[in-house]
Amino acid sequence: DTEVTQTPKHLVMGMTNKKSLKCEQHMGHRAMYWYKQKAKKPPELMFVYSYEKLSINESVPSRFSPECPNSSLLNLHLHALQPEDSALYLCASSQEWWTGQPQHFGDGTRLSIL
Amino acid sequence: QKEVEQNSGPLSVPEGAIASLNCTYSDRGSQSFFWYRQYSGKSPELIMFIYSNGDKEDGRFTAQLNKASQYVSLLIRDSQPSDSATYLCAVRGNAGNMLTFGGGTRLMVKP
Repeated sequence: DTEVTQTPKHLVMGMTNKKSLKCEQHMGHRAMYWYKQKAKKPPELMFVYSYEKLSINESVPSRFSPECPNSSLLNLHLHALQPEDSALYLCASSQEWWTGQPQHFGDGTRLSIL
Repeated sequence: QKEVEQNSGPLSVPEGAIASLNCTYSDRGSQSFFWYRQYSGKSPELIMFIYSNGDKEDGRFTAQLNKASQYVSLLIRDSQPSDSATYLCAVRGNAGNMLTFGGGTRLMVKP
């Protein structure tokens, strides 16, 4: 079991739906990340939060909206997604943004867009 | 553009052998180096990290770093069928904790 918990594990949604992915960690980490991973490809960074503030947005379309309500939680709000957004969405955390401490991944949410 | 290169494989080794996985990177300012194991359909799992030149051992795993030649490798001793997975090399530059991932090497350990 990982120390970064993601829910739900699987999500199927239509292009007009609104849904949210959730991520929780209780390791006291102050940096949290969202990645997108397509099959047979490495993870692609989407967003970075450091001390609950958005630090990095890798030119992600506005149909993806991140939120960090507190130091343990990270959400990704989804709206009007496209079929090409179907992928494994990974949350990760690390002690700090400015140090080279390892990032630890959650189990991911497998998202399918109909 | 920062690049991290890995041979996509598959790398096939017999059970009990040493598996050697290699990774090269382009950014000379890179500071930290990570190896993740990813089983099919699962998320990446951190197995090793190394910051300094030389070798770092943890159980059956050894990470080797050579900053002058810009490569990092992972050795798996006494390979087991359960080691069959894709191994991702990730490199951190000198600003923030952004990782650049290689494309991964698929390892197959045959009984």
